[in-house]
Amino acid sequence: SQQGEEDPQALSIQEGENATMNCSYKTSINNLQWYRQNSGRGLVHLILIRSNEREKHSGRLRVTLDTSKKSSSLLITASRAADTASYFCATVSTGNQFYFGTGTSLTVIP
Amino acid sequence: GAVVSQHPSWVICKSGTSVKIECRSLDFQATTMFWYRQFPKQSLMLMATSNEGSKATYEQGVEKDKFLINHASLTLSTLTVTSAHPEDSSFYICSAISTLDSRRTYFGEGSWLTVV
Repeated sequence: SQQGEEDPQALSIQEGENATMNCSYKTSINNLQWYRQNSGRGLVHLILIRSNEREKHSGRLRVTLDTSKKSSSLLITASRAADTASYFCATVSTGNQFYFGTGTSLTVIP
Repeated sequence: GAVVSQHPSWVICKSGTSVKIECRSLDFQATTMFWYRQFPKQSLMLMATSNEGSKATYEQGVEKDKFLINHASLTLSTLTVTSAHPEDSSFYICSAISTLDSRRTYFGEGSWLTVV
């Protein structure tokens, strides 16, 4: 299986705190993307980081990528209750197949 | 932005029947579409890669005779779950790549299938 692993599986924090999720993958990648999914809904694209990039920012999101360790992290700063969702990393092959991580369920307590 | 539409959004069918889910790219042409399956509280798993005008490529462990994929046009791919069983109940999501920009992938909103 080319599925990546994410940790933690579940994370519960207070509003205003930062949330960090980690993703490890197995294969070479073209790029790595992070998605958010509200319960029972479709995917929302958050951020894409290319294999030659080490860090990327978008608003309250910060993503890092370490290709030597085959790992990535997503940091959400100053979390809000509306950030409650599941978060998935996805490695993207040169053929544009997406291999999703196991996901992190984030709960932000108001 | 580009939109990928799935229909139906949710469907209930009886065991043993077949059900078809459509994936349409609404404002772009897609040579390649992908189908994913997500069981409750689990991650999304790639099922197959669908190329317009040719046979789909299935991931290991996915039964091609059970999950029939047809990509007959540049804007439509269909997934037919044949002889559905309760264990096929899942969330099915498609994605599409624009023929004009292969760097972008657009996901549909997903289709809930419940087999009773």
